[in-house]
Amino acid sequence: DTAVSQTPKYLVTQMGNDKSIKCEQNLGHDTMYWYKQDSKKFLKIMFSYNNKELIINETVPNRFSPKSPDKAHLNLHINSLELGDSAVYFCASSPRDTVIRDGYTFGSGTRLTVV
Amino acid sequence: RKEVEQDPGPFNVPEGATVAFNCTYSNSASQSFFWYRQDCRKEPKLLMSVYSSGNEDGRFTAQLNRASQYISLLIRDSKLSDSATYLCVVNRGGGNKLTFGTGTQLKVEL
Repeated sequence: DTAVSQTPKYLVTQMGNDKSIKCEQNLGHDTMYWYKQDSKKFLKIMFSYNNKELIINETVPNRFSPKSPDKAHLNLHINSLELGDSAVYFCASSPRDTVIRDGYTFGSGTRLTVV
Repeated sequence: RKEVEQDPGPFNVPEGATVAFNCTYSNSASQSFFWYRQDCRKEPKLLMSVYSSGNEDGRFTAQLNRASQYISLLIRDSKLSDSATYLCVVNRGGGNKLTFGTGTQLKVEL
């Protein structure tokens, strides 16, 4: 069973379109995250939710809107896609109280290409 | 200054060699530290946590120097399968946010 699963794995779309990426975890974790890894391989946090509540919201354009319907799911919707949004987007999860000991578990990533 | 800095490499080493990576962090309030491994076109995976007293897991040894604000990873008897990017990761202030370095690329060759 996949612990953190993301869909789709690959997404190619035109500039200006709106797209969503879905993430689900079956680890029973309370906290979920979205990270962006750019072409230089730098992993940067975008958002974090703890049990459906937004707790981290980094400086991200408001075209990006996360949604957490329950603590096992965290989706990312992107409006008006731009070329610079091309990257790999990773979902991750962690237990709320033991992240400093156990770190995160990542999904396999969604490779977004905007053309 | 970046919050977490690593030499990007690549480090090209022969099989069986010992190789060490260092990482520096800027925030003295950082509380916990990790090494993650990322294979090409894959997700990062936790390799090991780094404890204050240093810790070892098989061929891998991690050290923390709080005074100098650096973390190290030593790999002994390198295998071809160790080829990957090693990410230094820091948790600042005990919250849930992990900050990643840009990674050090290791290539182990025959």
